[in-house]
Amino acid sequence: EAQVTQNPRYLITVTGKKLTVTCSQNMNHEYMSWYRQDPGLGLRQIYYSMNVEVTDKGDVPEGYKVSRKEKRNFPLILESPSPNQTSLYFCASSLWQGSDSPLHFGNGTRLTVT
Amino acid sequence: KQEVTQIPAALSVPEGENLVLNCSFTDSAIYNLQWFRQDPGKGLTSLLLIQSSQREQTSGRLNASLDKSSGRSTLYIAASQPGDSATYLCAVRTSGFKTIFGAGTRLFVKA
Repeated sequence: EAQVTQNPRYLITVTGKKLTVTCSQNMNHEYMSWYRQDPGLGLRQIYYSMNVEVTDKGDVPEGYKVSRKEKRNFPLILESPSPNQTSLYFCASSLWQGSDSPLHFGNGTRLTVT
Repeated sequence: KQEVTQIPAALSVPEGENLVLNCSFTDSAIYNLQWFRQDPGKGLTSLLLIQSSQREQTSGRLNASLDKSSGRSTLYIAASQPGDSATYLCAVRTSGFKTIFGAGTRLFVKA
């Protein structure tokens, strides 16, 4: 089944403890992206990648890192999480960055930083 | 800077009613506009994608239109059902490959 898989679904951690949220897609998509969703603020783009080894900042990149060493994987790294990074995170992918390629979303990761 | 606005923020309608959800954007230089559905605590499901060169797309009871010159898109839902209850999001992909989302319209269809 074609899908975007995020892990874990739920994560509770403490301030400053490094964590990684994984994202993998099995559709051979070139474009991948991370978003956070917060009440009243909607979905905001953190980082995106147009292909292997090509990444760029979205609107809210501070405090996050990403890497794209393989086409299928796009992990989100929080080197030193803080409580303001408590949020619902989504990974998405599309075949390419063109106008006819819809975004496909994972099921989300709910992160709580205490 | 591109901004995307959705009106209304919430909508409650009786079953069977036809309804229109609105999405407006400030910069007409877009690659595409995509409508999503989100159920509580769940991910986003793609409903329709309209490319910048297109005026509308249809899927079943759903019809989405795009007017780039006025910076507006509408999602028309025909013969609404309780199962349509969800939050509907529109998202604009910009020429810089970013995706900007609206805050969503929360729809409740009463049986």
